Order: sequence, then structure tokens, then C-alpha cells
Amino acid sequence: DIQMTQSPSTLSASVGDRVTITCRASQNINKWLAWYQQKPGKAPNLLIYEASILQSGVPSRFSGSGSGTEFTLTISGLQPDDFATYYCQQYNFYSTFGQGTRVEIK
Amino acid sequence: QVQLVQSGAEVKKPGSSVKVSCKASGITFSNYGFNWVRQAPGQGLEWMGAIIPVFGTANYAQKFQGRVTITADGSTNTAHMELSSLRAEDTAVYFCARGNIVYNTYFDHWGQGTLVTVSS
Repeated sequence: DIQMTQSPSTLSASVGDRVTITCRASQNINKWLAWYQQKPGKAPNLLIYEASILQSGVPSRFSGSGSGTEFTLTISGLQPDDFATYYCQQYNFYSTFGQGTRVEIK
Repeated sequence: QVQLVQSGAEVKKPGSSVKVSCKASGITFSNYGFNWVRQAPGQGLEWMGAIIPVFGTANYAQKFQGRVTITADGSTNTAHMELSSLRAEDTAVYFCARGNIVYNTYFDHWGQGTLVTVSS
């Protein structure tokens, strides 16, 4: 199985900050990585797929990069609506999710 | 618009089975795959398996092999997930999610989730 490791587990930030979340795969997954945002009691929402392609309707302050085994999600100018938990997902071979990164208010 | 509407919450006894449904609307059902992802209380997301209706085949995460069955009914645009031999650790919210017509895919639309509680 492909393991996905996110860091940090929790991130404290303020509105307007630039935040970066890292996701590492246990083996090469090429560009087959997606990022999701999840708020309490809700289903996850797709932000980015193929490591860097922004899903339609997602604000441009979200961006993704990386390939192979290391990936990042960046939020440029954190907004109040962005405080949530973020998950990466590899889909190179079926699916595996990272353990999540909670972005909380500093 | 695309909607995935899941069946309601369930309370089950240990050792029993549960079947959760996911009805799709606003899409051509046969053009997509349907995945099941669960989330235990306070925990992360866990992929269970998927079905591609046009192929009529399902694939399952190794952890759930032999205990989960995913089916699809094209006449009602509904996917189903049945989990058997339930134990307390299966208490979770179960989501269906739409993917591309392959097993290796991201999920661009999700159902609202179905809480399954396993308790004696």
C-alpha cells in the first residue's frame, strides 16, 4: 500500500498569512495527487487534482505543486473561510489519504 | 446540478450488516465510477472501494476485502455499499464520492455522508 504522510498535523495561522502544507508519498506517485478541504460535519471538497490543477470554482489563493513523492498545498492570503482540515489523496494506485492537517486560528 | 444523496443514519448490532445507498442525479450514471470513503469519529478519511457501473466490476481496499460489497443499479442511478460482520470500530460516517471511469481517480462530488453506529 502507498502511505501518505502530511505535515504538520495542526497549523496555527492568522487571516492574511501564507500557509503551506506538505504531503509525502511512500513511493513515486507521479502527479496523481489531490487536495481536499473539509469542514466539521461536511463532506470533503476537492480543491486541486493532478498535483497542481485548480478545481473549477476554487479560489486562486489555493495552489498545489510537486511530483514524485513530495507535494505542497499553499494558501496565499488565508481567509476566515479557510480554517478547516485539509487532506491529500494519492490516486496512483487506488486511493490513500493523508492523516489530515487542521488549520486553526492563531 | 450534480447531486449524490445518501440514505439515512443507521444503528446496528455487532455482527450484523449494513447497506448504505447513494442516489445520483444530474449526471449520466454510466460515465462515472462511484467510491466509498469512511471517516471514524475525529479521524481521517479511509477509502473502502469503488465500482464502475459500465464495467459492472468493483475493487476493494485490502483491509475490507471479504467484508464489503459495492454494487450499482443503473436503472435507479444508485450505488450501494454493504458492510458485514460489523464491529464497534466500524462506527463512522460513510461517504459516496464520484470519480472518473477508472479506479485510480480523484473525487469531485461527494454525498452528504451516512452515520453508521455499531453498538450493542
